[in-house]
Amino acid sequence: RKEVEQDPGPFNVPEGATVAFNCTYSNSASQSFFWYRQDCRKEPKLLMSVYSSGNEDGRFTAQLNRASQYISLLIRDSKLSDSATYLCVVNVPYGYALNFGKGTSLLVTP
Amino acid sequence: DAGVTQSPTHLIKTRGQQVTLRCSPKSGHDTVSWYQQALGQGPQFIFQYYEEEERQRGNFPDRFSGHQFPNYSSELNVNALLLGDSALYLCASSLGQKPDQPQHFGDGTRLSIL
Repeated sequence: RKEVEQDPGPFNVPEGATVAFNCTYSNSASQSFFWYRQDCRKEPKLLMSVYSSGNEDGRFTAQLNRASQYISLLIRDSKLSDSATYLCVVNVPYGYALNFGKGTSLLVTP
Repeated sequence: DAGVTQSPTHLIKTRGQQVTLRCSPKSGHDTVSWYQQALGQGPQFIFQYYEEEERQRGNFPDRFSGHQFPNYSSELNVNALLLGDSALYLCASSLGQKPDQPQHFGDGTRLSIL
């Protein structure tokens, strides 16, 4: 079983739509969770950290369910510029490495 | 505020050769991690350097080695290159001892093996 699993998509949505991405992780001892965004042939960029109580940054909302080992990212009012691959990232317990999912591809169309 | 910088941007090598990639961390960061990203995959952790020592290593062979210098910059060395080493190599920097700090990535070095 992969340590971090994501639906690869692609998700094709019209501008203004709301879209949600899901991610599951295998190690219940993980403590740190992030969403990164990666544009085509570019480096991953931190989108937001994910906290147990859930957190919001503008149009982006992240949720964490530790019991189900499940992380989500909700994007409201999608913009063309949101088109990218979204990477779910979980720390390796008792260490310093990060485990990345394969990413979910989003295409926002006019 | 300088971000993470990597060099070179692109590199073409042949099988059996050796390569050195370089990374300067973001200003104020003291920890450097290296990742390999194959096409269509998420980044895979190679190793992390802190206080000039390899602090943690991922599932990569000994052909992959590294170094961190007193100014926190780092090198990744790969010996006896294989076709499968073709990938984007990403350097990420972070601050300090806590494992929960987010990592900030450089633009990467795209390595092609012929």
